[in-house]
Amino acid sequence: DSGVTQTPKHLITATGQRVTLRCSPRSGDLSVYWYQQSLDQGLQFLIQYYNGEERAKGNILERFSAQQFPDLHSELNLSSLELGDSALYFCASSVAPARGDEKLFFGSGTQLSVL
Amino acid sequence: DQQVKQNSPSLSVQEGRISILNCDYTNSMFDYFLWYKKYPAEGPTFLISISSIKDKNEDGRFTVFLNKSAKHLSLHIVPSQPGDSAVYFCAASPNAGGTSYGKLTFGQGTILTVHP
Repeated sequence: DSGVTQTPKHLITATGQRVTLRCSPRSGDLSVYWYQQSLDQGLQFLIQYYNGEERAKGNILERFSAQQFPDLHSELNLSSLELGDSALYFCASSVAPARGDEKLFFGSGTQLSVL
Repeated sequence: DQQVKQNSPSLSVQEGRISILNCDYTNSMFDYFLWYKKYPAEGPTFLISISSIKDKNEDGRFTVFLNKSAKHLSLHIVPSQPGDSAVYFCAASPNAGGTSYGKLTFGQGTILTVHP
C-alpha cells in the first residue's frame, strides 16, 4: 500500500460527459502528480501541483483540468470526453516538488472507460 | 516522439537465472533514470534509480547499468524469482536542479515473467 488513495477505481461513462477523479496523497506529501496510461503507451505526465499551486504541465488537453485543495487532495476533471480518453489515470505524490532523484508514490489508478 | 523506449514488450526467464531489461533514450537532457515495477491492479512502485554521473547502481538482487554514450540503460535481476513477475517501466528525468520536477518520462513497459 503506497498510501496514495484514488477514487473511484473504475468509471464508465459516455462520450461528451464530464468526470472527476480524486486523489488523496500520502500523509505529509505536498506534491501531487497526474499521469495517464493508454493502451500500449507508457505513463504520460499530465500535471503537477505543489501545496495548492500548479508547478509543471505536460501534454494535458485543454478539456482536462486539475486542482489541489487546501487539505492537499487533488481532483482531475475531464470534460467533453472522447473515446480516446479511455485510459488508466494515476495519481502520485511526493514530499516536495520532486527533484529528478526523488521517487514518486503512485496510487492504484482510476480506470476510465468512455463508451 | 518516444523519448524513452523499451523495445521488448515481454521477457520470459527461468527462476534463478538473470533477467535483463533494456531501455533506450534520446533526450540528452535526461539526468536521472529510474525503474518502476507494476503489479496488476496496483500503481507503479519505485525499484531503483541511477544518476547520470554513475554507470552502475546496485540494490540487492537489482542492478542498473547506464551507458550515457549509447543512451542506454539496463536493469539486471539476479537471481530472478517468480515474485518478480510484473511490468517494469523505465523512466527518465531532466536535470535535477531544473524546474521539471516530477516530470518523469516513462517507457512503454516490459512484461517480465519468471517461471518456476
